[in-house]
Amino acid sequence: EVQLVESGGGLVQPGGSLRLSCAASGFSFSHYWMHWVRQAPGKGLVWVSRINSEGTDRNYAGSVKGRLTISRDNAKKTLYLQINGLRDEDTAMYYCATGAGNSGRLDDWGQGTLVTVSS
Amino acid sequence: DIQMTQSPSSLSASVGDRVTITCRASQTIATYLNWYQQKPGKAPELLIYDASTLQSGFASRFTGGGSGTDFTLTISSLQPEDSATYYCQQNYDNPLVTFGGGTKVEIK
Repeated sequence: EVQLVESGGGLVQPGGSLRLSCAASGFSFSHYWMHWVRQAPGKGLVWVSRINSEGTDRNYAGSVKGRLTISRDNAKKTLYLQINGLRDEDTAMYYCATGAGNSGRLDDWGQGTLVTVSS
Repeated sequence: DIQMTQSPSSLSASVGDRVTITCRASQTIATYLNWYQQKPGKAPELLIYDASTLQSGFASRFTGGGSGTDFTLTISSLQPEDSATYYCQQNYDNPLVTFGGGTKVEIK
């Protein structure tokens, strides 16, 4: 059974940084593209970033480019999202998800980790 | 970016009703269209992919259709456990995938 468990969220002041983690189990993590999707409170889903199985190809939504870095450690079966220069609008639940190849379809999702940006 | 517009934004229907949600793309996306179901306080789940293929584990009362710019998600006989928000997503413009605004389905 695919399991994705996000962690690392919390309350952060504007301008601060966070590193989110997504621990994977139950599937061959190193063979899968992985994604981050976020959801502001009461709002819809917004795709944020993706990384290929080897960790050599990364893509970002235009709205976050330059402040977010996606990475992965296949030995640890863990996906990461580094967020710098946090802004109020980064307040959201952050989900990691497996990709169906490089198609952009999101097959399995974690339960999310909440990031709150507030002074 | 390709814009995805869902309608209605919310609906209320009775158990047993037939419910249809519409998703329109700002440009043609062939059948690169997926639907997700999100129950309150839970993560989204893939419901339908490639416009009309039902994901394993979901009931056959869910059907997807359409191609090009106009798509539908139909629940043939609404059940209490179908109370959720449904999102469409285009993956034609990969990797810049985009979601619709969501349709909240409530049971009367």
